[in-house]
Amino acid sequence: DQQVKQNSPSLSVQEGRISILNCDYTNSMFDYFLWYKKYPAEGPTFLISISSIKDKNEDGRFTVFLNKSAKHLSLHIVPSQPGDSAVYFCAASALQGAQKLVFGQGTRLTINP
Amino acid sequence: NAGVMQNPRHLVRRRGQEARLRCSPMKGHSHVYWYRQLPEEGLKFMVYLQKENIIDESGMPKERFSAEFPKEGPSILRIQQVVRGDSAAYFCASSPPDGHYGYTFGSGTRLTVV
Repeated sequence: DQQVKQNSPSLSVQEGRISILNCDYTNSMFDYFLWYKKYPAEGPTFLISISSIKDKNEDGRFTVFLNKSAKHLSLHIVPSQPGDSAVYFCAASALQGAQKLVFGQGTRLTINP
Repeated sequence: NAGVMQNPRHLVRRRGQEARLRCSPMKGHSHVYWYRQLPEEGLKFMVYLQKENIIDESGMPKERFSAEFPKEGPSILRIQQVVRGDSAAYFCASSPPDGHYGYTFGSGTRLTVV
């Protein structure tokens, strides 16, 4: 029962262009969403988050969009840089289980020079 | 200010042995979480602990796995009688008392069962 899905295992983008990573969820109780970035042999690092009362949150080159009716969120990175090459995980939590995160399978982003 | 410290980074165990994974949370963090990542999958929640208390262990396998976070010392994830399917990366995270918004992950322990 995959409650958080990232349907693209990999994505390749040219440096300077926009990277768009997608995430879908099924549990309508989820009300807080996060994106993590992970390099090989390291733990995930927090990138950006969004509460369900918003539909957009921006932090520098990173913007997360939330479409509650479609149960879909996306992470936009613009402009993409070589250092952005990593695996990106989206995660979700529900108010009741606020301490527990449910992760997607991850999308491997490769930025080509 | 050290981050979340996990050791060992790599652990090799033969089938049937015990594995002990340690996690020292960030200074000031009193909440510890353990997650497991199987190859080509996302992280799966295992257990959430506070000092001397297991708060949520809904993701822990029913047998062979246990976790503790004693009053003094690191949190320990213990796997008894390991099997090949236990081979995975185990990540620990910690957060301050006000919730998971300050989640910080350690670098993980990669367990290989041979």
